[in-house]
Amino acid sequence: KAGVTQTPRYLIKTRGQQVTLSCSPISGHRSVSWYQQTPGQGLQFLFEYFSETQRNKGNFPGRFSGRQFSNSRSEMNVSTLELGDSALYLCASSSGEVETQYFGPGTRLLVL
Amino acid sequence: GEDVEQSLFLSVREGDSSVINCTYTDSSSTYLYWYKQEPGAGLQLLTYIFSNMDMKQDQRLTVLLNKKDKHLSLRIADTQTGDSAIYFCAERDVDTGRRALTFGSGTRLQVQP
Repeated sequence: KAGVTQTPRYLIKTRGQQVTLSCSPISGHRSVSWYQQTPGQGLQFLFEYFSETQRNKGNFPGRFSGRQFSNSRSEMNVSTLELGDSALYLCASSSGEVETQYFGPGTRLLVL
Repeated sequence: GEDVEQSLFLSVREGDSSVINCTYTDSSSTYLYWYKQEPGAGLQLLTYIFSNMDMKQDQRLTVLLNKKDKHLSLRIADTQTGDSAIYFCAERDVDTGRRALTFGSGTRLQVQP
C-alpha cells in the first residue's frame, strides 16, 4: 500500500498570504489528523477529520482550518500567515480499532 | 491533562544497546507509541503498546511499561549508525475518544561508530 502523501513538500509564502496544504491518506483510511512541528513548541495537534467531519480540534487560532473530502483526502488552510506559522506540517491517517497514526513526509512552510 | 516528557539527548557507541525513556501523566486507558524522525522526514511508527501490557518486543526493539510509575522505555539492541535520529514518545487517551496524539519533546539519539 502506498503511504500518506502530502503536497507540496516545500512552500515559501510572505506574511499576510494564505496557504493550502493537501494530504492523501493511506487507501482505506478514513481518519486524517494534522500536526504542526516547530523547534520551540514541538509537535502539536491541529485537528482531526473522519468521514468529512471535524472530530477534534487543537488549541490553534481560527486562521487554521481544514476539511476532508468524500475520498478521505484532506486539506488544511492557513489564512493571514504570520512568521510564527513557519513549521513542518504533518498529516497522519489511521483506521481500525487501534487507530494507529501513520504519518506523511510533511510540508515545510516558510513564512517571510 | 496529558503530558509526556523525555530526555533530550542520548549518545551511544555502535553495537551497544540504547535505552530511551519517557514518562506520561495520563491515568486512563492509553496507547503509547514510539516514532522515529530522521532529518527532513516525517514520523515513522516504530511500535506501540497498550497500557494494560508490560512489555512488547519487535526484532531489535523492546518496549517496557511501568504502569505504577507511568514510565515507558524503548530499548534498541545492537544500535547502528542508521538508528541516529530523533525518537518521539506519544500517548493517546482511549477513554476520552480523542484521537489526538500528545508527543514528548523528542530524544536525539547519536550513534558513534
